[in-house]
Amino acid sequence: DTGVSQNPRHKITKRGQNVTFRCDPISEHNRLYWYRQTLGQGPEFLTYFQNEAQLEKSRLLSDRFSAERPKGSFSTLEIQRTEQGDSAMYLCASSLDEQVSGYTFGSGTRLTVV
Amino acid sequence: AQSVTQLGSHVSVSEGALVLLRCNYSSSVPPYLFWYVQYPNQGLQLLLKYTSAATLVKGINGFEAEFKKSETSFHLTKPSAHMSDAAEYFCAVTGPGGGNKLTFGTGTQLKVEL
Repeated sequence: DTGVSQNPRHKITKRGQNVTFRCDPISEHNRLYWYRQTLGQGPEFLTYFQNEAQLEKSRLLSDRFSAERPKGSFSTLEIQRTEQGDSAMYLCASSLDEQVSGYTFGSGTRLTVV
Repeated sequence: AQSVTQLGSHVSVSEGALVLLRCNYSSSVPPYLFWYVQYPNQGLQLLLKYTSAATLVKGINGFEAEFKKSETSFHLTKPSAHMSDAAEYFCAVTGPGGGNKLTFGTGTQLKVEL
């Protein structure tokens, strides 16, 4: 069990550029979640996959955001035309059975938009 | 909708003193409740979880929490604080009505002083 892996750990980008983050969940976990955390706040839910199906999207996820989980394995989160307000920590979590195993979080990708 | 409220955004204790971090939840269905710890620039680590079994839950690093339905509370305690406990702590809720996603509180920053 290597845990949830997120890449890159840090990303600095200029406003208007596109960025893509990757999350590799624990291999046997069929559920994958993306959260966004800004300074001094708790993580906020963005979207959720069960296997390859995206089952829920938050209203926080504007049209500039898109997430995929091809083949139900790793997931990518893309932000198009980044804005300074997108600066945050983006966290990925995976789970198999929340009642038994809970949710395992990755170390996050910190995005800074300049 | 489910939510959690963490009273006290900052808590300061002396090393060796009791740690008490407060969490109250709101849920129309039986909740699953979690406490996570976050160290600077890192992801979230699960401390403990309540999923409708024993109401007193023991977690890692000497932490425990008690689910009190009558008070809608799930406060986190540790008998004796250690310097290494200084971190941010998040309470979170999910359950049958939460669509599997976690809803977090705003966090409590714990400071441990000599």
